[in-house]
Amino acid sequence: NAGVTQTPKFQVLKTGQSMTLQCAQDMNHNSMYWYRQDPGMGLRLIYYSASEGTTDKGEVPNGYNVSRLNKREFSLRLESAAPSQTSVYFCASSEATGDYGYTFGSGTRLTVV
Amino acid sequence: GESVGLHLPTLSVQEGDNSIINCAYSNSASDYFIWYKQESGKGPQFIIDIRSNMDKRQGQRVTVLLNKTVKHLSLQIAATQPGDSAVYFCAVMTTDSWGKLQFGAGTQVVVTP
Repeated sequence: NAGVTQTPKFQVLKTGQSMTLQCAQDMNHNSMYWYRQDPGMGLRLIYYSASEGTTDKGEVPNGYNVSRLNKREFSLRLESAAPSQTSVYFCASSEATGDYGYTFGSGTRLTVV
Repeated sequence: GESVGLHLPTLSVQEGDNSIINCAYSNSASDYFIWYKQESGKGPQFIIDIRSNMDKRQGQRVTVLLNKTVKHLSLQIAATQPGDSAVYFCAVMTTDSWGKLQFGAGTQVVVTP
């Protein structure tokens, strides 16, 4: 049982390049989330998907897009990367009710130069 | 909106002592509270949760206390061990934003021999 799997683990981009962060969960969870983590700021919600077929903006959505490909997969796309998007990105999933909190992936460390 | 904060950025604890990590929240609609542990290079890991209809909950070596009157949450770790060295986050879910967690900035716990 892998839980939440994120790829890649590390990435360096040049300003203006695009990339997609992949996330898949095998726990049959309905809800999935993308957070970014910056030093001293905790985790901030970028986008979430309460259920397959729906996505909504979180606290810091600018510069990102998401796709809920199916129940298992939720991807995050940076269309034109900026240095301000240098961060560690975490994907998470949960039961629809939110009970028991989230299960997190191990993160993607992204550097934009 | 919700404001979630922790009182100390770093907590140094001697091995074998008890640790207390504090968290304050601002939204009176906060209904579900979770503590996460994050080790270096890993995603946050669920430790313990508590609902607003409770004021105390115990797990293995951990206790969460909730004081709704002053909007304060604490995590107590008994007999702190070197493996407890990590960043600890409190996270809050409100009744008007169910399923979405808001995280505090985190407290770094350093266990010294």
